[in-house]
Amino acid sequence: DAKTTQPNSMESNEEEPVHLPCNHSTISGTDYIHWYRQLPSQGPEYVIHGLTSNVNNRMASLAIAEDRKSSTLILHRATLRDAAVYYCIHVNDMRFGAGTRLTVKP
Amino acid sequence: GAVVSQHPSWVICKSGTSVKIECRSLDFQATTMFWYRQFPKQSLMLMATSNEGSKATYEQGVEKDKFLINHASLTLSTLTVTSAHPEDSSFYICSASFRGTYEQYFGPGTRLTVT
Repeated sequence: DAKTTQPNSMESNEEEPVHLPCNHSTISGTDYIHWYRQLPSQGPEYVIHGLTSNVNNRMASLAIAEDRKSSTLILHRATLRDAAVYYCIHVNDMRFGAGTRLTVKP
Repeated sequence: GAVVSQHPSWVICKSGTSVKIECRSLDFQATTMFWYRQFPKQSLMLMATSNEGSKATYEQGVEKDKFLINHASLTLSTLTVTSAHPEDSSFYICSASFRGTYEQYFGPGTRLTVT
């Protein structure tokens, strides 16, 4: 079974920020957190990853709790193209949980 | 970013026949490849992990004699579904990573329909 838990679904309005949470309470000290997203009928796409410090890239930001038991993927301005299922996983355990289905409303 | 391809993108086969799906890393050497299966409206289910030149490690409940995985080179892994049945109809996705990195690069998936 996957070692991460996420809300089943979330909604956002276009152009607004979105915070997608993930709990990973059993993560080890050296295990990276990865986020991927999947559009319908496509393979997942890498979004971002981190270990302890917050991370930013052109797609998103990743905020990791100090105790590393949770993290939050931040989309600063959601667009309709961001509608997808978002998954967080431990890099040393490539089992996917159910993910969060993000709906973006125009 | 790194590119992973899969072939075919979709396939229809008759019950009892075998189907081979290829997964290629186009611009990098993949030291590890993963195979997943995904049913409609469900998450990806890890089937097996394969390292180049080694036998694949299968997840519990995945029949290794039915789902044959070969990772003969650093750019190619194949999944053969033997004696396919309608319940094997699914979306099969591979991913690849290379030594020294943690990112996985996913292929576009192969939709298998067994009639």
